Amino acid sequence: GAGVSQTPSNKVTEKGKYVELRCDPISGHTALYWYRQSLGQGPEFLIYFQGTGAADDSGLPNDRFFAVRPEGSVSTLKIQRTERGDSAVYLCASSQSGVNEQYFGPGTRLTVT
Amino acid sequence: AQSVSQHNHHVILSEAASLELGCNYSYGGTVNLFWYVQYPGQHLQLLLKYFSGDPLVKGIKGFEAEFIKSKFSFNLRKPSVQWSDTAEYFCAVMGYSGGGADGLTFGKGTHLIIQP
Repeated sequence: GAGVSQTPSNKVTEKGKYVELRCDPISGHTALYWYRQSLGQGPEFLIYFQGTGAADDSGLPNDRFFAVRPEGSVSTLKIQRTERGDSAVYLCASSQSGVNEQYFGPGTRLTVT
Repeated sequence: AQSVSQHNHHVILSEAASLELGCNYSYGGTVNLFWYVQYPGQHLQLLLKYFSGDPLVKGIKGFEAEFIKSKFSFNLRKPSVQWSDTAEYFCAVMGYSGGGADGLTFGKGTHLIIQP
C-alpha cells in the first residue's frame, strides 16, 4: 500500500479482556516499530522489529504486552488482561532499515472501560 | 537512556510571525534528530531530519532546524508562519546503542496555534 495502515482505527474493550492491534507496513520496509501515545504526551517507544525478530523490546511496559511479526511484514500487538491505564493511541511506524526515517500509520485508539 | 525536552508546550502566534521551537536532548552517543508534525485529524508526518553533515537542515513547508552539538539542541524555525501551520510538533531522537539503532524518543510536543 501507499502508507502504513493500522486496524482497527478504534477499539473499545472491557477491563480484563484481550486485544490485538494490527499493523501493515509500507511494502519493502524491513523495520517496524510500535509506539504508544497517551493524551498530552509524545509517542513512547514499545518495540522494534528488524525482519521477523524483535531487535529491541525494552519499551514494552510489562509481560501483558507482546508483539509478533511472523513473516517480516504485518505485525500484531497483543495485550492481555487489559487495564484502564492501557487506554492510549497505539502507533505503528516502518522504515526501509533501522536507520532511516520512520513513516507512521494513523494509529489505533484503544479505550479500556 | 535518552530523553528529549521541548520547552514550549503551547505557542500562539499571529500569521507572518517568526517561529522558533526549542528542543534539547540528552544522549551520550551518536544521534539522528527529527521533527515530526501532526496536523489536526492526521497522523504524524516527517518535517525534517538530521543524520550528519550540514547542521542546518531544511524541511518541507519552509521549516528548518539547526543542530548544535555543543548545546545538545535541535531547534525548529520558520521565518513566517501561516494559519495552516497550526498543529502539534514533536522533536525526536534516535540513538545508537551497542545493538544498533534504537526506537525514537519523542518530546512531549508543542501545540502551535496560528491566529489569522
